[in-house]
Amino acid sequence: DSGVTQTPKHLITATGQRVTLRCSPRSGDLSVYWYQQSLDQGLQFLIQYYNGEERAKGNILERFSAQQFPDLHSELNLSSLELGDSALYFCASSPGTLEAFFGQGTRLTVV
Amino acid sequence: EDQVTQSPEALRLQEGESSSLNCSYTVSGLRGLFWYRQDPGKGPEFLFTLYSAGEEKEKERLKATLTKKESFLHITAPKPEDSATYLCAVQALSGGSYIPTFGRGTSLIVHP
Repeated sequence: DSGVTQTPKHLITATGQRVTLRCSPRSGDLSVYWYQQSLDQGLQFLIQYYNGEERAKGNILERFSAQQFPDLHSELNLSSLELGDSALYFCASSPGTLEAFFGQGTRLTVV
Repeated sequence: EDQVTQSPEALRLQEGESSSLNCSYTVSGLRGLFWYRQDPGKGPEFLFTLYSAGEEKEKERLKATLTKKESFLHITAPKPEDSATYLCAVQALSGGSYIPTFGRGTSLIVHP
């Protein structure tokens, strides 16, 4: 158990809908990363927050957004969902050093 | 464009048969290179961070090394429980931020 909690574990939704994925980082970790993992793309970095502020941005679509709250939990919002958005979404947290600790992921299926 | 390439894509070993996995990278401003282990349907599990060429780290049957262009993950006398996908990642400066980039992984199967 990495100490990073992601909810929900599974999510099935229809095209065009909006969903919110939640991540609680390890106690004391200020940094949160979001990743998307699909069979054809591998693990893709989406966005990083550090202590409530956006720190780095990867290949995140405009339909996706994230935020980190004062209690350091983070949410990833996915809107206007398409079939191709079906993937595993991982959150990882870090104490500010380079190593990151991953949650168990949310499996999103868009039908 | 920064790239991280892992080879081989898949590797089958007999229990006790040592081997190495390769991760080559072409990035500028490398801050660190990481190795993770991922079991099916689970999140990646952190193994090592390497910061500079010549550095080595060990954990049980695993040893990671780093040069200026590549990293190796050596697996000595593997056991079936070492079966997993091993991911390599780099964190490098891109557009003013440190961006993590993952390779596609090496899927390792160790037969008893």
